[in-house]
Amino acid sequence: DAGVIQSPRHEVTEMGQEVTLRCKPISGHNSLFWYRQTMMRGLELLIYFNNNVPIDDSGMPEDRFSAKMPNASFSTLKIQPSEPRDSAVYFCASSPPRGGETQYFGPGTRLLVL
Amino acid sequence: KQEVTQIPAALSVPEGENLVLNCSFTDSAIYNLQWFRQDPGKGLTSLLLIQSSQREQTSGRLNASLDKSSGRSTLYIAASQPGDSATYLCAVSSVKYSGGGADGLTFGKGTHLIIQP
Repeated sequence: DAGVIQSPRHEVTEMGQEVTLRCKPISGHNSLFWYRQTMMRGLELLIYFNNNVPIDDSGMPEDRFSAKMPNASFSTLKIQPSEPRDSAVYFCASSPPRGGETQYFGPGTRLLVL
Repeated sequence: KQEVTQIPAALSVPEGENLVLNCSFTDSAIYNLQWFRQDPGKGLTSLLLIQSSQREQTSGRLNASLDKSSGRSTLYIAASQPGDSATYLCAVSSVKYSGGGADGLTFGKGTHLIIQP
């Protein structure tokens, strides 16, 4: 049973470039979450979807960030334009439809913006 | 806004000791509380999940308790081993979305645990 799949695992880009992070949740899960982890701020929720619909995007830091979930098996987090302060590890997690269940995290994408 | 605090930030103990990690949260209206483990450069692994109606959960050498009214949880690790070395994260899910799916988690900054052989 494959876990949450994220790509790429590592991304190095230059300031001003567009960055797209991808996530494939566990099959059958209907909730998907994007988190960001930095040394200073720890793990923070950016946005989450339920049944492909965005429920809460209050954690998205600014308009440069956008997320989509076109279907139940794929989500993207896009940063445009990227800035050095966006450097962090971005995690995707998914959860089954029963509610109150644990979240299963992907391995993360380590992003470095130069 | 929910805030989660973990104490201590770091802990180093000899192998074999029993230890307690602490977590506190400011808003007692939670849906559940989870403890995760994170190894360096890796993702998070769920250890224990306690629903708001429960008082504790156990898995092997791990026991997590929840006192919702006081906004506290503890993770007890018995007979610690070097393989337990990792960062332990506490996270709460608030009662915000009841549409049949899970809510987002608010995390503490973690306790970095080192078990000395």
